[in-house]
Order: sequence, then structure tokens, then C-alpha cells
Amino acid sequence: DGGITQSPKYLFRKEGQNVTLSCEQNLNHDAMYWYRQDPGQGLRLIYYSQIVNDFQKGDIAEGYSVSREKKESFPLTVTSAQKNPTAFYLCASSISGAAGNTIYFGEGSWLTVV
Amino acid sequence: KQEVTQIPAALSVPEGENLVLNCSFTDSAIYNLQWFRQDPGKGLTSLLLIQSSQREQTSGRLNASLDKSSGRSTLYIAASQPGDSATYLCAVSVGGFKTIFGAGTRLFVKA
Repeated sequence: DGGITQSPKYLFRKEGQNVTLSCEQNLNHDAMYWYRQDPGQGLRLIYYSQIVNDFQKGDIAEGYSVSREKKESFPLTVTSAQKNPTAFYLCASSISGAAGNTIYFGEGSWLTVV
Repeated sequence: KQEVTQIPAALSVPEGENLVLNCSFTDSAIYNLQWFRQDPGKGLTSLLLIQSSQREQTSGRLNASLDKSSGRSTLYIAASQPGDSATYLCAVSVGGFKTIFGAGTRLFVKA
């Protein structure tokens, strides 16, 4: 079945550590996104990519980094510079970045600082 | 700056009731509006997408309307069931990869 796979589902980060969240899609979509969701708030855009080897910062990119070496993959690294990383992270994709396309989401990853 | 508001934040209804969820946005310059469902600890599932030129979309027991001029959308759920219990989010596409999400309405349907 086509879809978006995120892993791991749960991840714990120690102070000063970098961690990477995986996102893989087999929908043949060009555009991919990373969102952060905090309790009681809407989703906020971290990074997006409209094509391989290209990505742009979203509204809250500080302390995060991404890569887009393959069309199917868009991993997110949460660096030690992100001071409040505990949140639910959602990866998404759309057929293209053009406005008006349906956005499809993965099942999410929980990141907790210990 | 576009803002999306969903009221109420939470709603509890008895099974079988028809209900309406509200979404408002501050800038009418949108490309589309999308309604999503989110179960606890899960990702978002798209329910309905209304293009800016459309007034409503229907899927089964769900009907979504859009009034751009007043900056409002409603999601109507007919004959609610316990399985409808979830958080419902609306989101507006404003172009340039920007999609603005509301905080959601948490719905609980009592059996």
C-alpha cells in the first residue's frame, strides 16, 4: 500500500544529543514536509522540500536540519541547538508543492528529552 | 498574517446527534481549505478538501462548507457515532507551500 512511514514511533533524547527522525514515502510525491505539533496548538512547519536536493526553512527551522538526497526520503535531525524539542513530529507529502494539493501525513514520531 | 481558529476546543455529544464544527480564518485569500481527522497519538487523515472556487464538499456522513467572504468553514457530521470520536483540524492553503492549521476541536461521541 502507498503511504508515508515514519520511524521510530518513540524516541528519547539526552541533553546535547542529536537525533534523526526517518520519513519515507512511496507515493511518488515531489513535495515533502516536516511539522511539529504541541498540545493545544496547530501544526507548525519546520522544513519543506519540493524536489530532490532542494529544501527550504519553514516557520520554526532553528535547531533542526534536513536532507533530500532521494525523492522517497526526507529525514529530520533535531540538533542540540533545539532547546525545547519535546513534541510530536509529523512528516507529510503532496504530489507537488503547488497550492491546492491534498497533503498526506505519516503516523508521527514522539520525541522526548530525558 | 493568516490565523485559523477552531471553536469549540472540545465537544461532547450523545450518539446519533447531528453536529457542526466551526473553523474561521482571517484572510480570505486562500487556495483551498482542508478538514482532517486525528486520532490520539496518530497522524492526520484528510477528510475533505474544498477548493477556493467551491462552496461545499460531501463524503458519506460528512459535509464541509466554505464561505470565503466571511472567512468561515463548517464541518457537518450527520448521525454521529462513537467511532467519530477524534480531533478534527481545519487548514487553509495560502500558497507558497504555506498551509496554516487550526488547533483542532476534540470531539467525544458518547454511546
